[in-house]
Amino acid sequence: GNSVTQMEGPVTLSEEAFLTINCTYTATGYPSLFWYVQYPGEGLQLLLKATKADDKGSNKGFEATYRKETTSFHLEKGSVQVSDSAVYFCALFSGSARQLTFGSGTQLTVLP
Amino acid sequence: NAGVTQTPKFQVLKTGQSMTLQCAQDMNHNSMYWYRQDPGMGLRLIYYSASEGTTDKGEVPNGYNVSRLNKREFSLRLESAAPSQTSVYFCASSEAGTNEKLFFGSGTQLSVL
Repeated sequence: GNSVTQMEGPVTLSEEAFLTINCTYTATGYPSLFWYVQYPGEGLQLLLKATKADDKGSNKGFEATYRKETTSFHLEKGSVQVSDSAVYFCALFSGSARQLTFGSGTQLTVLP
Repeated sequence: NAGVTQTPKFQVLKTGQSMTLQCAQDMNHNSMYWYRQDPGMGLRLIYYSASEGTTDKGEVPNGYNVSRLNKREFSLRLESAAPSQTSVYFCASSEAGTNEKLFFGSGTQLSVL
């Protein structure tokens, strides 16, 4: 079946540091890949997505590239801000399952 | 600009009690979902409704029932709560044909003692 594995957190960084959150997946077929973000006290919201190999999703300074050869979709940001403190979820959508499969989430805390 | 609204935000139950979590969306979405979020396990799908009048089991349906009351509302019922159902519950919705882009409510934190 489908599965998503994220690097374990929590991750604590200083403001303006470089961020990488690793995500790898197992899926049948050719899934679409997503990053969702959950700010404190809120529900998840879509951050970015990529629908085919070598696509790069980007939003709010975050980027992730769909790497089919390594089955990865790592999230990166060049300079994090305190306001980026949140939980980040990697997810995949496979046509065969027809539903999103989420990773376990990575808590990010950015200190001023 | 409400989006997906869940009630209540917090609830404490005793083992064996029943309750219903309410969810409503004002985006005219066809599909609605109930997830639970547990530490270290991410979100797991409990039930979903692809359209008004239909419901289907997700990954962890045992101990839950759902009702798609109309296009706007999708409720989750715990008939006899158990401590294993202590979790944060999220309702979500999506447009038909775009099951990957979900809009989430702010969640219900449920504790079963």
